Amino acid sequence: SAVISQKPSRDICQRGTSLTIQCQVDSQVTMMFWYRQQPGQSLTLIATANQGSEATYESGFVIDKFPISRPNLTFSTLTVSNMSPEDSSIYLCSVGAGSQVYGYTFGSGTRLTVV
Amino acid sequence: GENVEQHPSTLSVQEGDSAVIKCTYSDSASNYFPWYKQELGKGPQLIIDIRSNVGEKKDQRIAVTLNKTAKHFSLHITETQPEDSAVYFCAASKPGRRALTFGSGTRLQVQP
Repeated sequence: SAVISQKPSRDICQRGTSLTIQCQVDSQVTMMFWYRQQPGQSLTLIATANQGSEATYESGFVIDKFPISRPNLTFSTLTVSNMSPEDSSIYLCSVGAGSQVYGYTFGSGTRLTVV
Repeated sequence: GENVEQHPSTLSVQEGDSAVIKCTYSDSASNYFPWYKQELGKGPQLIIDIRSNVGEKKDQRIAVTLNKTAKHFSLHITETQPEDSAVYFCAASKPGRRALTFGSGTRLQVQP
């Protein structure tokens, strides 16, 4: 399965600032997703990162707040913009390869604390 | 959209006992059901999965069963060990929507 490198692993940020999280995969993958996991909670899909086009956002998540880039099949970034304490969460990148693949792999996550 | 419910939220067992976690899903079009284990400070790790054309799948001490008619699936862990202690998530996906919808999680504690 694919190996994901997610950076940074953790950060403490001031409210009103932005943080960009990187997801690097060791092989080309078809599907890339960004999830949020609030403290003690389950995983919620933020968006599907589409290669070469705009990401597809889930209800409740907007591009201005969570801009996503995916310039190629191995790399994506998620930016958390104009942060507030409510954005304190773990942000996770997930990938899958092929049109019929199952068994998505997750990165180790970015633990974000906004103060 | 899809809704996945998971029970129980916490489960404590003695080492060597079995543990069962149950999930139900709402969308009959869902056809893929993975289970993830998440240890503290780590990302979720896939431990077993099942597709809708199979009723049961086993991998050593771990098994998953699927009842499509009732729209529920379960994770069974036998001969539990302290290292099985973690949070377990069930999930579901369907053709045309490859992203996973997760259950709320079960914190399993195996007492030595």
